[in-house]
Amino acid sequence: DIQMTQSPSSLSASVGDRVTITCRASQNINDNLNWYQQKPGEAPKLLINSASNLQSGVPSRFSGSGSGTDFTLTISSLQPEDFASYYCQQSYRTPTFGPGTKVDIK
Amino acid sequence: QVQLVQSGAEVKKPGASVKVSCKTSGYIFNIFYLHWLRQAPGQGLEWMGWINPYSGSTYYAQKFHGRVSLTRDTSLTTAYMELSSLTSDDTAIYYCARDLRDSSISPTPAFWGQGSLVTVSS
Repeated sequence: DIQMTQSPSSLSASVGDRVTITCRASQNINDNLNWYQQKPGEAPKLLINSASNLQSGVPSRFSGSGSGTDFTLTISSLQPEDFASYYCQQSYRTPTFGPGTKVDIK
Repeated sequence: QVQLVQSGAEVKKPGASVKVSCKTSGYIFNIFYLHWLRQAPGQGLEWMGWINPYSGSTYYAQKFHGRVSLTRDTSLTTAYMELSSLTSDDTAIYYCARDLRDSSISPTPAFWGQGSLVTVSS
């Protein structure tokens, strides 16, 4: 299986901050990388597919980039509703997820 | 709109089996693969497998081979996940999710059910 890592595992930030989360695959996955947001008690929500394609209805402050093995999720100006956990998932082979990044309030 | 509604919470004893249902609506059932995933308490997401609703063909993650069975009833537009030989390690929220695309390329769980808590305890 392709292993996914994320950093940091958690971060504290303030409203308005720019936040960057990185995800690394154990082998080349081209652009087959998805990002999810999960709030406590809720199912995950797909934010971005194919590394950079924003899903309909997702605010434009979210963006994704990268290709190959290294990927980034950026929130340009953190909003109160963005405090959540974020997971990357590779869709190149049998799906696997990163361990997640928890974003909480500083 | 796409909706996936799962069955309710279950409590099972070790060694038992559990069957979770996922009732879908708002789209053509046969076209999109359905994924099954789980999340143990306080842990990350784990993909279990998927089913092609048109053909009924399945693919399972190696970890669950021989212990999980995915089926569907096209007349009810409902999918099912059965997990056998339960242990306490199987305590988790189980999710069904519809794929983003009408193909098996680049599997992407896009539309999720609300989750079904399965607790395994003696």
